[in-house]
Amino acid sequence: AQSVTQLGSHVSVSEGALVLLRCNYSSSVPPYLFWYVQYPNQGLQLLLKYTSAATLVKGINGFEAEFKKSETSFHLTKPSAHMSDAAEYFCAVSYGNKLVFGAGTILRVKS
Amino acid sequence: DAGVIQSPRHEVTEMGQEVTLRCKPISGHDYLFWYRQTMMRGLELLIYFNNNVPIDDSGMPEDRFSAKMPNASFSTLKIQPSEPRDSAVYFCASSLDGQTQYFGPGTRLLVL
Repeated sequence: AQSVTQLGSHVSVSEGALVLLRCNYSSSVPPYLFWYVQYPNQGLQLLLKYTSAATLVKGINGFEAEFKKSETSFHLTKPSAHMSDAAEYFCAVSYGNKLVFGAGTILRVKS
Repeated sequence: DAGVIQSPRHEVTEMGQEVTLRCKPISGHDYLFWYRQTMMRGLELLIYFNNNVPIDDSGMPEDRFSAKMPNASFSTLKIQPSEPRDSAVYFCASSLDGQTQYFGPGTRLLVL
């Protein structure tokens, strides 16, 4: 069965610092993988997705993620954090037509 | 282009009352999903439709919950009777390919 583990329920970085949010998945078949962002009192917004094309995926707002099959990982990165990046981030893996979500990581950006 | 539309955005009701949540998917999207988000359980898929037909309702918590999709542009999630433990944020999402899902803003439900 597919599952997603996000390491760290809370991550805190300084403005301008590297953002690294970790996601590991388990899947019995080549997966589709997604990162979503949720701002307070809003719905989930798609950041980026991996669909078995390039292993390095670029998304919106300067985020990117790299699919590493050997490590079953799909970590999300951004070179320089901005205050507006403060939000909750969810990694998800597809399971047929269903998405299985991780528990989420709250990103705090300090000025 | 309009995204997924949900109404109401907030709902406060008393235990035992009927609650109806509404969703309009993105035009042309054949898949529609209903999720519930709580602090304790995170994001849970309740049910999803393909071409207006319910495909998997295994996430619906109990018979008090029902969902319909009478046409391609409208779906409802109904809770009858509502209970305090149903308090959550309910999201609707739609998809063109069944993989990439686009979420609405959610309905925040509080059952007193």
